[in-house]
Amino acid sequence: RKEVEQDPGPFNVPEGATVAFNCTYSNSASQSFFWYRQDCRKEPKLLMSVYSSGNEDGRFTAQLNRASQYISLLIRDSKLSDSATYLCVVNRSGGRRALTFGSGTRLQVQP
Amino acid sequence: SAVISQKPSRDICQRGTSLTIQCQVDSQVTMMFWYRQQPGQSLTLIATANQGSEATYESGFVIDKFPISRPNLTFSTLTVSNMSPEDSSIYLCSVGDRGKTEAFFGQGTRLTVV
Repeated sequence: RKEVEQDPGPFNVPEGATVAFNCTYSNSASQSFFWYRQDCRKEPKLLMSVYSSGNEDGRFTAQLNRASQYISLLIRDSKLSDSATYLCVVNRSGGRRALTFGSGTRLQVQP
Repeated sequence: SAVISQKPSRDICQRGTSLTIQCQVDSQVTMMFWYRQQPGQSLTLIATANQGSEATYESGFVIDKFPISRPNLTFSTLTVSNMSPEDSSIYLCSVGDRGKTEAFFGQGTRLTVV
Protein backbone atom coordinates (compact mmCIF):
# COMPACT_ATOMS: atom_id res chain seq x y z
CA ARG A 1 0.00 0.00 0.00
CA LYS A 2 1.32 3.45 -0.88
CA GLU A 3 2.03 5.81 1.99
CA VAL A 4 -0.10 8.52 0.40
CA GLU A 5 -2.89 7.66 -2.01
CA GLN A 6 -4.79 9.98 -4.32
CA ASP A 7 -7.24 9.59 -7.15
CA PRO A 8 -5.10 10.39 -10.21
CA GLY A 9 -8.01 11.90 -12.13
CA PRO A 10 -8.10 13.69 -14.45
CA PHE A 11 -10.91 15.86 -13.18
CA ASN A 12 -12.38 17.84 -16.04
CA VAL A 13 -14.63 20.61 -14.74
CA PRO A 14 -16.15 23.77 -16.22
CA GLU A 15 -15.12 27.21 -15.05
CA GLY A 16 -16.98 28.18 -11.89
CA ALA A 17 -17.44 24.61 -10.69
CA THR A 18 -16.59 23.35 -7.25
CA VAL A 19 -14.23 20.38 -7.15
CA ALA A 20 -12.97 18.25 -4.28
CA PHE A 21 -9.87 16.10 -4.04
CA ASN A 22 -9.33 13.40 -1.48
CA CYS A 23 -6.24 11.77 -0.11
CA THR A 24 -5.50 9.05 2.44
CA TYR A 25 -2.26 8.35 4.26
CA SER A 26 -1.12 5.15 5.92
CA ASN A 27 1.25 6.32 8.66
CA SER A 28 -0.84 7.26 11.67
CA ALA A 29 2.18 8.98 13.23
CA SER A 30 2.40 11.54 10.41
CA GLN A 31 2.50 15.02 11.80
CA SER A 32 2.16 17.60 9.05
CA PHE A 33 0.07 17.71 5.93
CA PHE A 34 0.10 19.86 2.82
CA TRP A 35 -1.31 20.39 -0.60
CA TYR A 36 1.19 21.29 -3.28
CA ARG A 37 0.44 22.37 -6.80
CA GLN A 38 2.56 21.34 -9.77
CA ASP A 39 2.17 22.90 -13.18
CA CYS A 40 3.35 21.03 -16.24
CA ARG A 41 7.17 20.94 -16.39
CA LYS A 42 7.48 23.02 -13.24
CA GLU A 43 8.54 22.29 -9.69
CA PRO A 44 5.91 21.68 -6.98
CA LYS A 45 4.83 24.77 -5.07
CA LEU A 46 3.19 24.89 -1.70
CA LEU A 47 -0.52 25.64 -2.00
CA MET A 48 -1.49 25.36 1.64
CA SER A 49 -0.87 23.52 4.86
CA VAL A 50 -3.64 21.40 6.30
CA TYR A 51 -4.68 21.66 9.93
CA SER A 52 -6.97 19.52 12.04
CA SER A 53 -9.30 22.47 12.53
CA GLY A 54 -9.54 22.95 8.78
CA ASN A 55 -8.28 26.01 7.01
CA GLU A 56 -9.34 28.23 4.19
CA ASP A 57 -7.41 30.44 1.81
CA GLY A 58 -9.67 32.29 -0.58
CA ARG A 59 -11.34 29.75 -2.84
CA PHE A 60 -9.39 26.86 -1.33
CA THR A 61 -10.41 24.90 1.76
CA ALA A 62 -8.39 22.05 3.25
CA GLN A 63 -9.57 19.55 5.83
CA LEU A 64 -7.79 16.89 7.86
CA ASN A 65 -9.41 13.93 9.59
CA ARG A 66 -6.74 12.23 11.71
CA ALA A 67 -9.05 9.44 12.86
CA SER A 68 -9.73 8.39 9.27
CA GLN A 69 -6.25 9.45 8.03
CA TYR A 70 -7.93 11.46 5.33
CA ILE A 71 -7.14 14.84 3.79
CA SER A 72 -9.26 16.86 1.41
CA LEU A 73 -8.97 19.94 -0.75
CA LEU A 74 -11.99 21.88 -1.98
CA ILE A 75 -11.69 24.43 -4.77
CA ARG A 76 -14.65 26.76 -5.28
CA ASP A 77 -15.40 28.85 -8.35
CA SER A 78 -12.74 27.10 -10.44
CA LYS A 79 -10.61 29.24 -12.74
CA LEU A 80 -8.79 28.21 -15.89
CA SER A 81 -5.57 29.00 -14.03
CA ASP A 82 -6.38 26.30 -11.45
CA SER A 83 -5.56 23.64 -14.06
CA ALA A 84 -2.61 21.74 -12.63
CA THR A 85 -1.71 18.60 -10.71
CA TYR A 86 -2.47 18.75 -7.00
CA LEU A 87 -0.17 16.75 -4.78
CA CYS A 88 -1.17 15.52 -1.34
CA VAL A 89 1.92 15.62 0.85
CA VAL A 90 2.67 14.24 4.29
CA ASN A 91 5.58 15.05 6.55
CA ARG A 92 7.17 12.01 8.08
CA SER A 93 7.33 11.61 11.79
CA GLY A 94 10.49 11.00 13.77
CA GLY A 95 12.05 14.41 13.34
CA ARG A 96 13.05 13.98 9.73
CA ARG A 97 11.51 16.68 7.65
CA ALA A 98 11.45 14.88 4.32
CA LEU A 99 8.08 14.82 2.60
CA THR A 100 6.14 11.91 1.17
CA PHE A 101 4.18 12.74 -1.94
CA GLY A 102 1.01 11.29 -3.34
CA SER A 103 0.92 10.58 -7.03
CA GLY A 104 -1.14 13.70 -7.67
CA THR A 105 -4.59 14.50 -8.99
CA ARG A 106 -4.79 16.21 -12.34
CA LEU A 107 -7.33 19.01 -12.67
CA GLN A 108 -8.35 20.48 -16.01
CA VAL A 109 -10.69 23.47 -15.84
CA GLN A 110 -12.44 24.06 -19.13
CA PRO A 111 -13.95 27.28 -20.48
CA SER B 1 10.77 31.61 1.42
CA ALA B 2 14.34 30.83 0.35
CA VAL B 3 15.35 31.30 -3.26
CA ILE B 4 16.70 28.04 -4.63
CA SER B 5 18.82 27.94 -7.78
CA GLN B 6 19.42 24.61 -9.43
CA LYS B 7 21.62 23.93 -12.41
CA PRO B 8 21.77 22.75 -15.03
CA SER B 9 18.10 23.12 -15.81
CA ARG B 10 18.34 20.33 -18.35
CA ASP B 11 20.90 18.09 -19.98
CA ILE B 12 21.16 15.26 -22.44
CA CYS B 13 23.87 12.79 -21.52
CA GLN B 14 25.43 9.67 -22.96
CA ARG B 15 24.94 6.43 -21.08
CA GLY B 16 27.88 5.50 -18.88
CA THR B 17 28.74 9.12 -18.07
CA SER B 18 28.02 11.06 -14.88
CA LEU B 19 26.27 14.39 -14.27
CA THR B 20 26.57 16.61 -11.23
CA ILE B 21 23.61 18.82 -10.35
CA GLN B 22 24.12 21.86 -8.16
CA CYS B 23 21.69 23.43 -5.71
CA GLN B 24 22.38 26.88 -4.27
CA VAL B 25 20.18 28.55 -1.66
CA ASP B 26 20.25 32.28 -0.93
CA SER B 27 20.13 31.72 2.84
CA GLN B 28 21.32 29.12 5.32
CA VAL B 29 18.88 26.24 5.64
CA THR B 30 18.79 23.33 8.03
CA MET B 31 17.58 20.61 5.71
CA MET B 32 18.31 19.88 2.08
CA PHE B 33 16.83 16.98 0.16
CA TRP B 34 17.10 15.48 -3.29
CA TYR B 35 14.06 14.05 -5.05
CA ARG B 36 13.51 12.29 -8.34
CA GLN B 37 10.38 12.59 -10.46
CA GLN B 38 10.21 10.03 -13.22
CA PRO B 39 7.98 10.69 -16.24
CA GLY B 40 4.33 10.69 -15.24
CA GLN B 41 5.16 9.87 -11.64
CA SER B 42 5.19 11.73 -8.37
CA LEU B 43 8.26 12.68 -6.38
CA THR B 44 10.44 10.09 -4.69
CA LEU B 45 12.98 11.04 -2.06
CA ILE B 46 16.52 9.99 -2.95
CA ALA B 47 18.35 11.21 0.13
CA THR B 48 18.73 13.85 2.80
CA ALA B 49 21.89 15.90 2.33
CA ASN B 50 23.61 16.35 5.69
CA GLN B 51 26.02 19.20 6.22
CA GLY B 52 29.45 17.90 7.10
CA SER B 53 28.54 14.22 7.01
CA GLU B 54 27.39 11.50 4.67
CA ALA B 55 23.94 11.79 3.16
CA THR B 56 21.09 9.63 4.42
CA TYR B 57 19.76 7.51 1.56
CA GLU B 58 16.30 6.09 1.11
CA SER B 59 15.63 2.48 0.31
CA GLY B 60 16.57 1.72 -3.26
CA PHE B 61 19.15 4.50 -3.56
CA VAL B 62 22.86 4.05 -2.87
CA ILE B 63 25.81 6.37 -2.48
CA ASP B 64 27.80 4.83 -5.31
CA LYS B 65 25.05 5.67 -7.78
CA PHE B 66 23.98 9.02 -6.30
CA PRO B 67 26.88 10.59 -4.40
CA ILE B 68 25.83 13.76 -2.59
CA SER B 69 27.87 16.56 -1.13
CA ARG B 70 26.83 19.30 1.25
CA PRO B 71 29.86 21.37 2.22
CA ASN B 72 27.85 24.14 3.92
CA LEU B 73 24.33 25.26 4.80
CA THR B 74 23.61 26.88 1.43
CA PHE B 75 24.93 24.43 -1.16
CA SER B 76 24.59 20.80 -2.19
CA THR B 77 25.35 18.65 -5.20
CA LEU B 78 23.87 15.42 -6.47
CA THR B 79 25.79 13.28 -8.95
CA VAL B 80 24.04 10.72 -11.11
CA SER B 81 26.78 8.20 -11.87
CA ASN B 82 27.24 5.71 -14.68
CA MET B 83 23.96 6.82 -16.22
CA SER B 84 21.54 4.60 -18.09
CA PRO B 85 18.32 5.54 -19.91
CA GLU B 86 16.39 4.50 -16.77
CA ASP B 87 17.93 7.49 -15.00
CA SER B 88 16.10 9.86 -17.33
CA SER B 89 14.04 11.90 -14.92
CA ILE B 90 13.62 15.27 -13.27
CA TYR B 91 15.86 15.74 -10.25
CA LEU B 92 14.72 18.30 -7.67
CA CYS B 93 16.51 19.95 -4.81
CA SER B 94 14.35 20.80 -1.82
CA VAL B 95 15.00 22.77 1.34
CA GLY B 96 13.35 22.99 4.72
CA ASP B 97 14.19 24.98 7.79
CA ARG B 98 14.05 24.55 11.51
CA GLY B 99 10.65 25.38 12.89
CA LYS B 100 8.96 24.97 9.53
CA THR B 101 7.47 21.76 8.29
CA GLU B 102 6.88 22.68 4.67
CA ALA B 103 9.57 22.45 2.02
CA PHE B 104 10.42 24.44 -1.08
CA PHE B 105 11.85 23.30 -4.36
CA GLY B 106 14.37 24.33 -6.93
CA GLN B 107 13.28 24.50 -10.55
CA GLY B 108 14.51 20.97 -11.22
CA THR B 109 16.99 19.41 -13.62
CA ARG B 110 15.48 17.55 -16.54
CA LEU B 111 17.90 14.75 -17.43
CA THR B 112 17.70 12.65 -20.57
CA VAL B 113 20.12 9.76 -20.98
CA VAL B 114 20.63 8.45 -24.49
